[in-house]
Amino acid sequence: QSVLTQPPSVSAAPGQQVTISCSGSSSNVGKNYVSWYQQLPGTAPKLLIYENNKRPSGIPDRFSGSKSGTSATLGITGLQTGDEADYYCGTWDSSLRVGVFGGGTKLTVL
Amino acid sequence: EVQLLESGGGLVQPGGSLRLSCAASGFTFSSYGMIWVRQAPGRGLEWVSAITGNYGAYYADSVKGRFTISRDNSKNTMYLQMNSLRVDDTAVYYCAKDLPSATCCDSWGQGTLVTVSS
Repeated sequence: QSVLTQPPSVSAAPGQQVTISCSGSSSNVGKNYVSWYQQLPGTAPKLLIYENNKRPSGIPDRFSGSKSGTSATLGITGLQTGDEADYYCGTWDSSLRVGVFGGGTKLTVL
Repeated sequence: EVQLLESGGGLVQPGGSLRLSCAASGFTFSSYGMIWVRQAPGRGLEWVSAITGNYGAYYADSVKGRFTISRDNSKNTMYLQMNSLRVDDTAVYYCAKDLPSATCCDSWGQGTLVTVSS
């Protein structure tokens, strides 16, 4: 059971938009920066969003992040088939003093 | 360009030991925290351990007392000594680099597979 809760799967058609939620608590999401990662099949995770809503160089602005209270959200617009991947949120838990990830969300672009 | 290269994975019997290495290049290694994250076959990401630039160490409960994280800033290398390995430690182990804000993780290695089986 992951400390952070994500929906197991989401799906949408090409060109549409989707959001992925990440629910935590006051000791993790509520207190610390949230990052989002994309993992394509058979590859290492890749940073998509850091410090709740910032995009690393090279990440298109179709990807966005937000945080409110103890929940964070990843948004993806203009879906492409190449966006099919597993998406994870992650942060630090100040009470447990460990890093924590969500269980991952599989995005299917129909 | 940041590069992280893990090595040391392999097949080991339950109760055995392995030492993973993560060789880093392309950044000032001593200035950044480093992390080990693992992924069991078909499962999600699991944070394993982290070490700060000044050698503070943190561990997941699942590995505390069995794994030891360390770093050699003179060699730009991080290590994970894994003892008393269990079947459920079987996973791909990734090393990753902290962001400047000390949050995980802006660069990842390609991973090294650890298989614990008799």
